[in-house]
Amino acid sequence: AQKITQTQPGMFVQEKEAVTLDCTYDTSDPSYGLFWYKQPSSGEMIFLIYQGSYDQQNATEGRYSLNFQKARKSANLVISASQLGDSAMYFCAMREGGGGSYIPTFGRGTSLIVHP
Amino acid sequence: NAGVTQTPKFQVLKTGQSMTLQCAQDMNHNSMYWYRQDPGMGLRLIYYSASEGTTDKGEVPNGYNVSRLNKREFSLRLESAAPSQTSVYFCASRSIMTGNNQPQHFGDGTRLSIL
Repeated sequence: AQKITQTQPGMFVQEKEAVTLDCTYDTSDPSYGLFWYKQPSSGEMIFLIYQGSYDQQNATEGRYSLNFQKARKSANLVISASQLGDSAMYFCAMREGGGGSYIPTFGRGTSLIVHP
Repeated sequence: NAGVTQTPKFQVLKTGQSMTLQCAQDMNHNSMYWYRQDPGMGLRLIYYSASEGTTDKGEVPNGYNVSRLNKREFSLRLESAAPSQTSVYFCASRSIMTGNNQPQHFGDGTRLSIL
């Protein structure tokens, strides 16, 4: 079974609108964390936002926020006021366990296209 | 401010040839990783090195070997390239000293085609 599931292969959004990219995860470890990365067409992987399982509040970073629903095991990325430069692949990843060293698991990604 | 540097950026090989992908980081990170990215498959872990002197297999290690040469460098070797190894390869690194919320830092990738 996949540990990280991104069910939307592709998403389209109008410029200036908000969009939600879905991510569900599967773990029995009480200590875990979720990461979101952006991969533009140029290919580099850019870290966007992190949410820890013990964090009391949903993470936010500028126009990015994470809708973390622990009981549903979902960690959806919300991008507000979409811009043309947001067009990219987006990957959700999870680390399990505490301690400093971990091996993250990645989802298959969602392709986001922002229309003018 | 180089971060994670991968060489080469592009490479074309013939089936059966060997080559080594190089990766170096200048952030004093402990852990380093090699991934491959194929369309629709996300990033799959080939090998990782939790710290200098250790290496472990990831999800898809067959056909690859790695060497953690020192703290900075982590190389990936294809001994006998096969067309199924055509992919984009990413190296990443991470510090284990600064908490679980620290993300991985990625290189720009190596596009490898095997004919």
